[in-house]
Amino acid sequence: QSALTQPPSASGSPGQSVTISCTGTSSDVGGYNYVSWYQQHPGKAPKLMIYEVSKRPSGVPDRFSGSKSGNTASLTVSGLQAEDEADYYCTSYGGSNIYVFGTGTKVTVL
Amino acid sequence: QITLKESGPTLVKPTQTLTLTCTFSGFSLTTSGVGVGWIRQPPGKALEWLALIYWDNDKRYSPSLKSRLTITKDTSKNQVVLKMTNMDTVDTATYYCAHEPTMIQGAFDYWGQGTLVTVPS
Repeated sequence: QSALTQPPSASGSPGQSVTISCTGTSSDVGGYNYVSWYQQHPGKAPKLMIYEVSKRPSGVPDRFSGSKSGNTASLTVSGLQAEDEADYYCTSYGGSNIYVFGTGTKVTVL
Repeated sequence: QITLKESGPTLVKPTQTLTLTCTFSGFSLTTSGVGVGWIRQPPGKALEWLALIYWDNDKRYSPSLKSRLTITKDTSKNQVVLKMTNMDTVDTATYYCAHEPTMIQGAFDYWGQGTLVTVPS
């Protein structure tokens, strides 16, 4: 099972939006609605931001939204804030009772 | 309040077996649907899913590491143990355990702080 493909970096100015893609195959992202997104600040544990493609856990701002089209899932951060600068990882159920993470995207707030 | 904490050796020699313990509180691994997973992250690299155990003792492993991994639980101690055999330098990483809630498949909502394991060359 190969890692899901994410762009290495993305950036935007405060107040703007940034969208991160997560590309897999029909055996993982495209086959199931079990895509999650995590935010990770340096030296910290990951934090769940989105689960089941587009659902937000309690306490996550509605500036964070998720979607999926075919084999590609996306995370959009609207109204960028300085504290959104972090690494973001997607993950998907990959069938056969396994999960796979993405390659990670570093988001920079300019 | 759910908390998890990883413990184990910080240094493991090549070919040795790594044993990590995740001690948790605030939930029970006898509750239907609940799981505890292990994820690792080599320095400066991406997260990698390793293994997951559910309340009913259903166990899942990364295909690429399955032959080296064993995950078990001790519900009386609120602990999950991960063993990884034949350690190598490429296994140097921060190892996290995390809670998968009931009814939310494949998403970890609470994580431990992580423990750095180094395998020297």
